[in-house]
Amino acid sequence: GESVGLHLPTLSVQEGDNSIINCAYSNSASDYFIWYKQESGKGPQFIIDIRSNMDKRQGQRVTVLLNKTVKHLSLQIAATQPGDSAVYFCAENTGGFKTIFGAGTRLFVKA
Amino acid sequence: DTAVSQTPKYLVTQMGNDKSIKCEQNLGHDTMYWYKQDSKKFLKIMFSYNNKELIINETVPNRFSPKSPDKAHLNLHINSLELGDSAVYFCASSGGAGVQETQYFGPGTRLLVL
Repeated sequence: GESVGLHLPTLSVQEGDNSIINCAYSNSASDYFIWYKQESGKGPQFIIDIRSNMDKRQGQRVTVLLNKTVKHLSLQIAATQPGDSAVYFCAENTGGFKTIFGAGTRLFVKA
Repeated sequence: DTAVSQTPKYLVTQMGNDKSIKCEQNLGHDTMYWYKQDSKKFLKIMFSYNNKELIINETVPNRFSPKSPDKAHLNLHINSLELGDSAVYFCASSGGAGVQETQYFGPGTRLLVL
């Protein structure tokens, strides 16, 4: 069935280091991918997205990489800060309104 | 100036009761959603409305009934609440009309069924 999964449910990094959160998706028809950040007690918040005609997109301190060959998505956070501590979700969309969310990775940033 | 707001934020109730959660967005979006997030943080779509019309209805028990009085509101009514309904329910909206767009989420409603 449809699924978007994560390799590492929990990731702990030192403040200032770079973080990499990985995601595997199963639907090869998906053509739009999004990363969301969810802080404790809040709703998911958009971070960055990428469409299937791209393999890399950069934002402020964040980069998303897409490898369609192996159906893999990653989120890289540069110079991780304590405020980056949250649960991160990858999500995929095959067109239209339905977005499938992955299971989430919890990122801990150690000061 | 919350873009997507939900009420109540917390809801504690007994099994068998009927309850409603309200959602409003002031972003002028055409599409609204309800998601359920379980204790393991898994986020699953339940319903979606586009211009007040139901367009997504995932495998959700009939006890759950969404209602969209206008484009800015999407309420969720739950009949005969069960223990398994305990979760955080998120409302979201997006501007798309058949176009993939970012979803904006509300702060969530934490439902606890005793």
